[in-house]
Amino acid sequence: SQELEQSPQSLIVQEGKNLTINCTSSKTLYGLYWYKQKYGEGLIFLMMLQKGGEEKSHEKITAKLDEKKQQSSLHITASQPSHAGIYLCGADTSGTYKYIFGTGTRLKVLA
Amino acid sequence: SQTIHQWPATLVQPVGSPLSLECTVEGTSNPNLYWYRQAAGRGLQLLFYSVGIGQISSEVPQNLSASRPQDRQFILSSKKLLLSDSGFYLCAWNGDWETQYFGPGTRLLVL
Repeated sequence: SQELEQSPQSLIVQEGKNLTINCTSSKTLYGLYWYKQKYGEGLIFLMMLQKGGEEKSHEKITAKLDEKKQQSSLHITASQPSHAGIYLCGADTSGTYKYIFGTGTRLKVLA
Repeated sequence: SQTIHQWPATLVQPVGSPLSLECTVEGTSNPNLYWYRQAAGRGLQLLFYSVGIGQISSEVPQNLSASRPQDRQFILSSKKLLLSDSGFYLCAWNGDWETQYFGPGTRLLVL
């Protein structure tokens, strides 16, 4: 089974709608990273969370790490077509700089 | 500023042929370097990581190998490609706060 589970696997929303993507770990997260990937391209770093309860925002994207440091959510407010892509969470669950990644959430935003 | 390069961008190779993918990082010294493979519909799988010249750790048994001949150069190789080696190969390095930054990737198709 996956150590990092992302949900949903895919999401189609109308432009302007809010959405949330979740990332759940079976282990304590030493660091949780959110990336965005467009098909056939590398991963673009969005945000990093380390402390339980931490919340970060960048433009219309907000990420949170829960107090127990085993779940993170990525929230997009007023989605736009430019938000479309694959969102991946990555994490260090061993404190050894070896990271694991979720399978990704494919987001499509309809104009 | 730091940049990471990968080449080639795309590669089509016959089964049984050799492989060499290159990754170089600029603007930093002694980075941790990583090779990942992303197969269709699956998350990123860590293949190798390196904490220094000549120091390679393998995460999964396979017919691939990695080398780090210089501080900022990471090479992924194979003597004989298999069909199952097809995928999207991503190189990454550790930046501030252990955040991983990814290269643009190499798409490999083995026929």
